[in-house]
This record gives sequence, C-alpha cells and structure tokens, in this order.
Amino acid sequence: QKEVEQNSGPLSVPEGAIASLNCTYSDRGSQSFFWYRQYSGKSPELIMFIYSNGDKEDGRFTAQLNKASQYVSLLIRDSQPSDSATYLCAGGAGTYKYIFGTGTRLKVLA
Amino acid sequence: DGGITQSPKYLFRKEGQNVTLSCEQNLNHDAMYWYRQDPGQGLRLIYYSQIVNDFQKGDIAEGYSVSREKKESFPLTVTSAQKNPTAFYLCASSIVVNNQPQHFGDGTRLSIL
Repeated sequence: QKEVEQNSGPLSVPEGAIASLNCTYSDRGSQSFFWYRQYSGKSPELIMFIYSNGDKEDGRFTAQLNKASQYVSLLIRDSQPSDSATYLCAGGAGTYKYIFGTGTRLKVLA
Repeated sequence: DGGITQSPKYLFRKEGQNVTLSCEQNLNHDAMYWYRQDPGQGLRLIYYSQIVNDFQKGDIAEGYSVSREKKESFPLTVTSAQKNPTAFYLCASSIVVNNQPQHFGDGTRLSIL
C-alpha cells in the first residue's frame, strides 16, 4: 500500500517565524510532489510542486525534496496568521494519479 | 477565467435517493477526478477519467457512478447503495502528462436528511 505520511498537528508558530511542514512517502518510484493549502471548509489550493532533489523557492515558500530519505518538506518564511490552514502533501509515480497525505494543521499565532 | 465549477455547493440526500454532483471545467484538461474527504482523513479517490468516454474506478468506487460524455464534464452520482455518503466531494482536473498537478473545484458538501 503506497502511503504519504504527515503529522496531523496542530503545528503552532509565532507570527514572523519559519514554519516547517514535513512529509514522508513509501513509494520509492515517486517522482513528483505537491503541496496544497486547504482552509477550513474550502478546497485544496496548489502552492508548490517539486520533482528534483534539493530546494525550490517561490516567494515565502520553499519545498525541499530528499529522494534517498523519501522525505519532502515545505518551509514557510515570515509566517502570517493568514497562513493558518491545513497543508496537504501529495506524491505521484510518473502518472497523473496521486496519493494524498492526511494533512498538517498549521496555526500562526499573532 | 479558466477553472473548475462544482454544483451545488450543498446537497441533501433522502433515504434511498440517488443524487448527482456536477463538475465542469474549461481548462481544456483531459483528466478529471472525483475525491471524497472526510474529517481527519486524506483525499480518497473515487473515480478518474483520462479521456472522454473512458473512466476508471479509484480506491472507494462502491456506491458511486460517473460518466464522461464530454471533455468538460464529469458528473458523479451517489447512489442509494452508498450507505455513508456524508462527506465533502472534490472534483479535480489535470493535463494528461506525467507529473502535472491537479487543480480542484470548490467542492460539494453532501449530507443525509
């Protein structure tokens, strides 16, 4: 059974701090990873995607992928109360069908 | 603006009733998906379609049916055989090329009367 694991949280960080969200996956064939943000009662919104080992930066967001350790993370710099949401990690193995984690709830304290 | 439109936003089902959830996209995406989300659980794949007139069962297809007669449309019917239909239903679409992200509609919240 292919799985994507996330700590459910909540992860609480003070405003302005760096929030670090982590995800591990079981399928060594996974090639692509996606981070979605989901506000309560709303649908998931794509934030970042990463295919290669290393870091990928987009504004305040950095995705990190380590295929050897089967680990992907999302860093949010200068966290804002508006970043408070559930963050879903998803992985795929060279297809367009992905496995989603259960999400980590982030709370940014003002 | 391109996007995915789901309707209705809220839906109530009576005992023994079939209900249909609408999903329309104007992104020119070939692949479309239906997910179910329950509290504290991840997204679970119900059905997906790679191309018009073709669709495949996902992990939890029992009690659901779909059709894909047009590229833009992928309706989901929740039948009376689905004994626990209360959930948040999400439709998504993507380009049919490896490693492309899925984009989601706003969802339909289904409850039992």
